[in-house]
Amino acid sequence: EIVLTQSPGSLSLSPGERATLSCRASQSISRSYLAWYQQRPGQAPRLLIYGASTRVTGVPDRISGGGSGTDFSLTISSLEPEDFAVYYCQQYDSSPCTFGQGTKVEIK
Amino acid sequence: EVQLVESGGGLVMPGGSLRLSCAVSGLTFSDAWLNWVRQAPGKGLEWVGRIKSKGSGGTTDYPASVKGRFTISRDDSKDTLYLQMNSLKIEDTAVYYCTWQGTQLNFFHSWGQGALVTVSS
Repeated sequence: EIVLTQSPGSLSLSPGERATLSCRASQSISRSYLAWYQQRPGQAPRLLIYGASTRVTGVPDRISGGGSGTDFSLTISSLEPEDFAVYYCQQYDSSPCTFGQGTKVEIK
Repeated sequence: EVQLVESGGGLVMPGGSLRLSCAVSGLTFSDAWLNWVRQAPGKGLEWVGRIKSKGSGGTTDYPASVKGRFTISRDDSKDTLYLQMNSLKIEDTAVYYCTWQGTQLNFFHSWGQGALVTVSS
């Protein structure tokens, strides 16, 4: 199965700063079949991005995804208070689909 | 708006069984491909299995960690998804989320609020 490794494990930033999260796959993910989710404390995950870079309706454009092959990223250009959460990447290129271990974005 | 509401969680002893339900609204249930995803306390996410719509064969898929112990089924007349969990292990302790994949690609557009299953003696 494809193993996804997210880095860093946690990120301590201030509102207004830029966050860059990485997701690296153990083998190439074809067709950019990678999604990103946000999970706030006590809540279910929420789909943000699929196809590596396609934002779900309602997701602000300060959140963007990119990458291909084995290296993917999620960028939040200017952190808002509601962006402090845990982010997970997920590949759906091969079965079983798998998730990264998560990156926690904390308020500095 | 798609809504998924899980129920049936609770405390069960190792080796025991439990069935979760997920009531779905806001979409054409019979056409929906549905999944279960779990999250152990303080841990990440793990896919537990999927059932396709009957129109797509109604087949199920599971990861190795639960195959042979967990069974996903659906009742299209009740717009309800089920997860039958047998031979439960302590490591099955988790919040179980019912999820909807809006396409035939295995990512998850909508999530329920989750049901906590605790396996402990």
